[in-house]
Amino acid sequence: ETGVTQTPRHLVMGMTNKKSLKCEQHLGHNAMYWYKQSAKKPLELMFVYNFKEQTENNSVPSRFSPECPNSSHLFLHLHTLQPEDSALYLCASSQDGDRGYEQYFGPGTRLTVT
Amino acid sequence: AQSVTQLGSHVSVSEGALVLLRCNYSSSVPPYLFWYVQYPNQGLQLLLKYTTGATLVKGINGFEAEFKKSETSFHLTKPSAHMSDAAEYFCAVSGSPGNTPLVFGKGTRLSVIA
Repeated sequence: ETGVTQTPRHLVMGMTNKKSLKCEQHLGHNAMYWYKQSAKKPLELMFVYNFKEQTENNSVPSRFSPECPNSSHLFLHLHTLQPEDSALYLCASSQDGDRGYEQYFGPGTRLTVT
Repeated sequence: AQSVTQLGSHVSVSEGALVLLRCNYSSSVPPYLFWYVQYPNQGLQLLLKYTTGATLVKGINGFEAEFKKSETSFHLTKPSAHMSDAAEYFCAVSGSPGNTPLVFGKGTRLSVIA
């Protein structure tokens, strides 16, 4: 595997389910990110981890819970979601959190909440 | 605060015609600027970036962008559009020091007409 991978690619879940999204980067980077991309809305940054420490949480509801066990893996735990949470969830990584480094994105997980 | 404005949510060009996608930014510090492309059902892929030095930046797939400080612009161009260029394009500016994540524009959808 190369680059940034995300699993699953597609997920359908009910409002009472609990599921997790997984992201893995094979680039040796130290910063990882979760973004939400909804139709006709700008890309929304959700969480930032730099050297495994959460450095940003953009007022994300508590039904989304991130976990970063090491610099290569990032999870997004989901529970009691709402239909408006249906979106493409993108994971990204960068060399570290410094402003000059570009972010590399995974293919995303298409989430549908029913 | 950093911000990005992409003029035109949808641009349509004929195959072989010039592609021009506009991006204006606002930044309280010297900006680092990026263009990303997103094909359907995929993540974002870096096209090119500007950090310092030469203001004309060449990227992949024949795209280039010019940083114009006086105009606070970073427009993306390609001399001759190809059908495979049809995608969503995002301009981004880096955050200020200590607040490092990228700030993305709302995106411009490029359609290429045969």
